[in-house]
Amino acid sequence: DQQVKQNSPSLSVQEGRISILNCDYTNSMFDYFLWYKKYPAEGPTFLISISSIKDKNEDGRFTVFLNKSAKHLSLHIVPSQPGDSAVYFCAASAGSNFGNEKLTFGTGTRLTIIP
Amino acid sequence: GAVVSQHPSWVICKSGTSVKIECRSLDFQATTMFWYRQFPKQSLMLMATSNEGSKATYEQGVEKDKFLINHASLTLSTLTVTSAHPEDSSFYICSASGQEAYEQYFGPGTRLTVT
Repeated sequence: DQQVKQNSPSLSVQEGRISILNCDYTNSMFDYFLWYKKYPAEGPTFLISISSIKDKNEDGRFTVFLNKSAKHLSLHIVPSQPGDSAVYFCAASAGSNFGNEKLTFGTGTRLTIIP
Repeated sequence: GAVVSQHPSWVICKSGTSVKIECRSLDFQATTMFWYRQFPKQSLMLMATSNEGSKATYEQGVEKDKFLINHASLTLSTLTVTSAHPEDSSFYICSASGQEAYEQYFGPGTRLTVT
C-alpha cells in the first residue's frame, strides 16, 4: 500500500526552464511534507518542507505547493540547473513533532537537466 | 547543518555471518534515530525507529531478531544484520533528529552485499 506516490519515475528538463515534480498521497493524517534530493549511493538531502497549514513555501529556486483537498503536492525548481540532476523523493509525516515522526517516502522521480 | 555519518560505507559479507552498521550524529544529540532500507529503484522503506535508551519500534514485516538495533547513546545507533542472506543485500540508511530538530538528517548510507 503505497501511501505516497510519485507517478513520474523520470523527468527531463532543459537548463534554465522550470522543473515540476509531483507527489500524491492517500493518508489524510499526513500533515507535514518534505522534499529530499538524493544522489546514487548517498543519503537523501533535505530540500524544502511544508506544513499542512500552508499551501506554499518558497526557498530560493525551490517552491513547494500543497493542495490538501486533492492530496497533492508539487516541487517547482526555477531556473533548473545541471546540478539539480538527481532523484527527488517526497515524504510525508503525521504529527506535530516533525523531526521525530517517521517519514513515508514516495518512489522517487529522477530529474535530468539537459544543458 | 547537522551531520550524520555511517560506517562502513560498504560491506561485503558471506551468507550466515552478521554485520554491524554504525550511525553517528556528529554535531548534535540525536534523541531519535531511524533506519531505512532501499532496494534498487525503489523507495526508502522505514525499518525501525529507535529512541535513546529504549527498545526500537519495528515496522510491520521487519524481523526484530534479525535486525538488531541498539541506541545506547545520544550520538550512536547500531544496526546489526544477523545471519545475513543474499536477500538482505540492500542500501541501508539511517537518519537522526534531536530535540531542536525539525527535520531528520540522513547519513550517507551503507551498501551491504551478501554473497
